[in-house]
Amino acid sequence: QKEVEQDPGPLSVPEGAIVSLNCTYSNSAFQYFMWYRQYSRKGPELLMYTYSSGNKEDGRFTAQVDKSSKYISLFIRDSQPSDSATYLCAMKYSGAGSYQLTFGKGTKLSVIP
Amino acid sequence: EAQVTQNPRYLITVTGKKLTVTCSQNMNHEYMSWYRQDPGLGLRQIYYSMNVEVTDKGDVPEGYKVSRKEKRNFPLILESPSPNQTSLYFCASSLTGTGNQPQHFGDGTRLSIL
Repeated sequence: QKEVEQDPGPLSVPEGAIVSLNCTYSNSAFQYFMWYRQYSRKGPELLMYTYSSGNKEDGRFTAQVDKSSKYISLFIRDSQPSDSATYLCAMKYSGAGSYQLTFGKGTKLSVIP
Repeated sequence: EAQVTQNPRYLITVTGKKLTVTCSQNMNHEYMSWYRQDPGLGLRQIYYSMNVEVTDKGDVPEGYKVSRKEKRNFPLILESPSPNQTSLYFCASSLTGTGNQPQHFGDGTRLSIL
């Protein structure tokens, strides 16, 4: 079983739709959770990070963490064509091993005008 | 502008010809790291460095070397490149590397080894 599982998609939605992106993980030692967005021919850029269960909101983006289910989500409201990108979840341990970031494989999202 | 700069952005070379990919950051970050990104495998860490002159292996270090003589620079060295090292490479840095410190990525180097 892979440490972090993420559906690669591709996912295609109409402009204005609510998008839900998800990752599951197997190791309960992960304590820090991040979402990165990667445009074509660019490096990943950090969108959201959180270290506790619950929701964190930033504009049209909401990150949700459920540690009991080992499940994280990113919701995008009122999706725009500019949101078309690959979205990567990433996780870190705390304490020993906290220097390493473990990524999901990414979900490719297309928002159609 | 705060950034991580990689050079070259694209390189086509032949098996066995030593090459170096440079990485430089201007944010005074202690932590730097190299990743490779392959279709179906995602981003995998090659090496990381907690601070100057301290480095450690990531998940896929075979065939790579790194050095960290200055805080701002973290070059990736392929002493004898092979076709299975054809990939998209990213350098990243963060303030300390621990906890919830976010990592900032460069725009990548696409290497093709023939």
